[in-house]
Amino acid sequence: GDSVTQMEGPVTLSEEAFLTINCTYTATGYPSLFWYVQYPGEGLQLLLKATKADDKGSNKGFEATYRKETTSFHLEKGSVQVSDSAVYFCALRYGGSQGNLIFGKGTKLSVKP
Amino acid sequence: NAGVTQTPKFQVLKTGQSMTLQCAQDMNHNSMYWYRQDPGMGLRLIYYSASEGTTDKGEVPNGYNVSRLNKREFSLRLESAAPSQTSVYFCAGDPGNAANYGYTFGSGTRLTVV
Repeated sequence: GDSVTQMEGPVTLSEEAFLTINCTYTATGYPSLFWYVQYPGEGLQLLLKATKADDKGSNKGFEATYRKETTSFHLEKGSVQVSDSAVYFCALRYGGSQGNLIFGKGTKLSVKP
Repeated sequence: NAGVTQTPKFQVLKTGQSMTLQCAQDMNHNSMYWYRQDPGMGLRLIYYSASEGTTDKGEVPNGYNVSRLNKREFSLRLESAAPSQTSVYFCAGDPGNAANYGYTFGSGTRLTVV
């Protein structure tokens, strides 16, 4: 079945370092792809999305490109801040009656000053 | 603020007690979901409701029941709580079944069963 695999955490970086969190997916069709962020003690918030191949989603300095050839949607940020410390979830979904979001297991990011 | 509201935020239950977790959304979403989040397990879908009047089982439905009371409200009931149900529970709303929409999540209910 369809699934999402994320790199295992935790990921620990120093402030202003470059961030990459890997996400690959297995899908029978052409889903939309999402990144969610969960700050400590809070619910998940939609960070960015891409709905078709080669689309780039971006928000708050984060970006991810939908790569159909490598079935990937890696999250990147050029310079992380302490406030970016959170858990990041990659997810996919289709439209229609089978359209529930399928989540990866999440990657915890800790940014040190 | 518009969004998804969950109550209570924290709850401690004794084994065997029952309780209902409440979720309400004011975004006119058709679909609503209940997830549980456990360390190292990510999010697991318990039940969902694709539209008012319908409910379906997700990945881990055992020990839970749900009610889609109306379009706004979707409650999760634990009839006889067990320590294995200690978790953080999240409700989410979804405007429809379109692939380009994401869910809106509530802030969670942290449940401990002792």
